[in-house]
Amino acid sequence: LAKTTQPISMDSYEGQEVNITCSHNNIATNDYITWYQQFPSQGPRFIIQGYKTKVTNEVASLFIPADRKSSTLSLPRVSLSDTAVYYCLVPTGANNLFFGTGTRLTVIP
Amino acid sequence: NAGVTQTPKFQVLKTGQSMTLQCAQDMNHNSMYWYRQDPGMGLRLIYYSASEGTTDKGEVPNGYNVSRLNKREFSLRLESAAPSQTSVYFCASSEVETGAYTGELFFGEGSRLTVL
Repeated sequence: LAKTTQPISMDSYEGQEVNITCSHNNIATNDYITWYQQFPSQGPRFIIQGYKTKVTNEVASLFIPADRKSSTLSLPRVSLSDTAVYYCLVPTGANNLFFGTGTRLTVIP
Repeated sequence: NAGVTQTPKFQVLKTGQSMTLQCAQDMNHNSMYWYRQDPGMGLRLIYYSASEGTTDKGEVPNGYNVSRLNKREFSLRLESAAPSQTSVYFCASSEVETGAYTGELFFGEGSRLTVL
């Protein structure tokens, strides 16, 4: 079971870069790492996923070291609208998707 | 482009009543899931269905039953509701790619259930 561990909460000022790290020590060879964003009263929304090294899209970057036992979600120049809960997800198998408690990011003006 | 649709959006039940939450997806996904989210908490997997005709228990299946009616629809039933089942319920779907599972889930807007 590739359980994940994230910080419970983080605060950041507007315009700063935010890095949220997730530990997944038991990740299996074929597992991908996926990050989701959730606003209040909404379902989670996919942000980014990766297998190794670095992945970047229009929203975020994902850094994965060679041992793949952790990953870091990087949000460049956050704004107030980035205030949300961020979940790191590592499937335990083909269809068994467990979310952790997530990281509550608060962006301060 | 509806994606994942859940009904009802809100429901109030009395202890012991039964109800079914409905979920439908129009993305032709094989896999569907039911999660619950208690206030201030993360999501917990109740049941999932890897493909039409199959269902499996997740982390917190007690008190629930599911039916994968066809490829599009996956329902969650509470046979005898309890106050501990007051929560927001999310349905999700995903496509499993051959060779490596990618894990992208598409969620519905949620169904807010209160059991008195």
